Amino acid sequence: QVQLQESGPGLVKPTETLTLSCGVSGYSVSSGYYWGWIRQPPGKGLQWIGSIYHSGNSYSNPSLKSRVTMSVDTSKNQFSLRLTAVTAADTAVYYCARHPQLRYFDFWGQGALVPVSS
Amino acid sequence: DIVLTQSPGTLSLSPGEGATLSCRASQGVTSNYLAWYQQKPGRAPRLLMYGVSRRVTGTPDRFSGSGSGTDFTLTISRLEPEDFGVYYCQHYSSSTGLTFGGGTKVEI
Repeated sequence: QVQLQESGPGLVKPTETLTLSCGVSGYSVSSGYYWGWIRQPPGKGLQWIGSIYHSGNSYSNPSLKSRVTMSVDTSKNQFSLRLTAVTAADTAVYYCARHPQLRYFDFWGQGALVPVSS
Repeated sequence: DIVLTQSPGTLSLSPGEGATLSCRASQGVTSNYLAWYQQKPGRAPRLLMYGVSRRVTGTPDRFSGSGSGTDFTLTISRLEPEDFGVYYCQHYSSSTGLTFGGGTKVEI
């Protein structure tokens, strides 16, 4: 069974960089699928942040692209997200998920709430 | 950008009733890249359907998907108490990226 687990700081200050990692078990991140990040502000809907292939090829939401960097660490079987210059509007539950052929997200992490506050 | 508009915003129904959830795209989309999710409070979304009408393993057959072009529908034939939650449609396009609809809340 494929399992994903987000890890990162519990709180980020405005203007700083949010960094999250997603550990994957039950499947190798280098086995051919994209891996994605999705966020959900409290009480609101879902927003795709971006997705990355093990080769490093990636796609991002145009509205966030200038602030998003993603990477894959095949040795640790995990992938990561960096979001720079955060504001309160970036407060959300951040999910990582497997993204086969960029079509849909079939396995999700449980989500990590990241508040942005001073 | 492709905008997905879901309606209605909320459905209040009783067990045994049928539910029809709509997802309308602002321009024609590729059916292969249209998916539906169910989300319960405090939980991650769960993939129900992909490619418009293909059920994921574990999705009950009372769920069905249909549509093409700009209009897509998720139908729940006979609601069970566990079907409450928020349902999202989602589409990916290589030219416009990935978008989610705003969601339909199903109250049992």
